Amino acid sequence: NAGVTQTPKFRVLKTGQSMTLLCAQDMNHEYMYWYRQDPGMGLRLIHYSVGEGTTAKGEVPDGYNVSRLKKQNFLLGLESAAPSQTSVYFCASSYSTSQRGYTFGSGTRLTVV
Amino acid sequence: RKEVEQDPGPFNVPEGATVAFNCTYSNSASQSFFWYRQDCRKEPKLLMSVYSSGNEDGRFTAQLNRASQYISLLIRDSKLSDSATYLCVVIDSNYQLIWGAGTKLIIKP
Repeated sequence: NAGVTQTPKFRVLKTGQSMTLLCAQDMNHEYMYWYRQDPGMGLRLIHYSVGEGTTAKGEVPDGYNVSRLKKQNFLLGLESAAPSQTSVYFCASSYSTSQRGYTFGSGTRLTVV
Repeated sequence: RKEVEQDPGPFNVPEGATVAFNCTYSNSASQSFFWYRQDCRKEPKLLMSVYSSGNEDGRFTAQLNRASQYISLLIRDSKLSDSATYLCVVIDSNYQLIWGAGTKLIIKP
């Protein structure tokens, strides 16, 4: 089925460990996004990309890095995980800034202990 | 003050009732507005756009009040399957998406 696939779905990290979250879309979307969702707060944009080879900072980029080497993939890296990065991470993609084409992945639940 | 505010709820509503909730936004230059639905431990999914003249999609009605800077969502004849968290999204003048924290709705039999 076409859509946005995130891996892994769950992960527990120790403080200081690193990891990469993978987002893959097969809809040929130009735009891709990484969000985090925390209790009592709206989704907050971490980084986004408007096309292959481009990335930009969102609202809460500190502690994260991203790469978009291929159009269909958007990777989110945590170089040195901290407990404050415990969250649910959602990837999304769209063919334009229009909300009608906005598709989310099913999320990654990350716990940093 | 948060840019987009929602009553977190939960709203506990009997099946078949009508329920409405609002979302207020602080930036008067905001351009576009949407309602999303998010089920527990799932990703958000677009429910409907909100147009200036108001719009309806089946049992759901969305309204925009620019003067008072809020959008509303009305659900008629509520079903058990309507239980979810409803997120409002505002696109500001810089084309940035601002998300509300959501209103939790629980429909009881």
